[in-house]
Amino acid sequence: DGGITQSPKYLFRKEGQNVTLSCEQNLNHDAMYWYRQDPGQGLRLIYYSQIVNDFQKGDIAEGYSVSREKKESFPLTVTSAQKNPTAFYLCASSMDRISQPQHFGDGTRLSIL
Amino acid sequence: GQQLNQSPQSMFIQEGEDVSMNCTSSSIFNTWLWYKQDPGEGPVLLIALYKAGELTSNGRLTAQFGTTRKDSFLNISASIPSDVGIYFCAGQSGSQGNLIFGKGTKLSVKP
Repeated sequence: DGGITQSPKYLFRKEGQNVTLSCEQNLNHDAMYWYRQDPGQGLRLIYYSQIVNDFQKGDIAEGYSVSREKKESFPLTVTSAQKNPTAFYLCASSMDRISQPQHFGDGTRLSIL
Repeated sequence: GQQLNQSPQSMFIQEGEDVSMNCTSSSIFNTWLWYKQDPGEGPVLLIALYKAGELTSNGRLTAQFGTTRKDSFLNISASIPSDVGIYFCAGQSGSQGNLIFGKGTKLSVKP
């Protein structure tokens, strides 16, 4: 089945630790996105990538980093500089950045130990 | 920046009732999307709208792209318990390309 796979489902971070969230898609989409979701809030864009080896900051990029070495993969690293990392993280993809809709994975819930 | 106002924030209805929710924007959008999210899962696309005035149905769901291009509506007819969840609108303006999301409408259905 074609889709977006995020892993792990749950992740715990210790103080001062970097953690990486995985996102893989087999939809052959060029564009991929990372969003953060907090309770009672809409989705906020962290980073997006239009094509391999290219990525751009979204609205809340501070404390996060990404890479796009392969078309199907767009991992997100939550660094120790992100002081409030507890949230639900969602990865999405679309054919390209202008075309919609975006399709989402099932998310990773990150908590602080 | 662009903002979406989604209302109502929450709804408590009886099974079988119809539901209406809407989103309004301070600026013009070229695309409106409606998603449903179940607890602990990612949003699932319900309906996509690409043209002002467009009215699109998906089963018991009907959505419309407002003629001013600044609003959109989602209606659910004859609600059932599995309609429970959070419904999000999202809009995109062609010049920027990023999706802007509303804060969601939480729907609860009483059997």
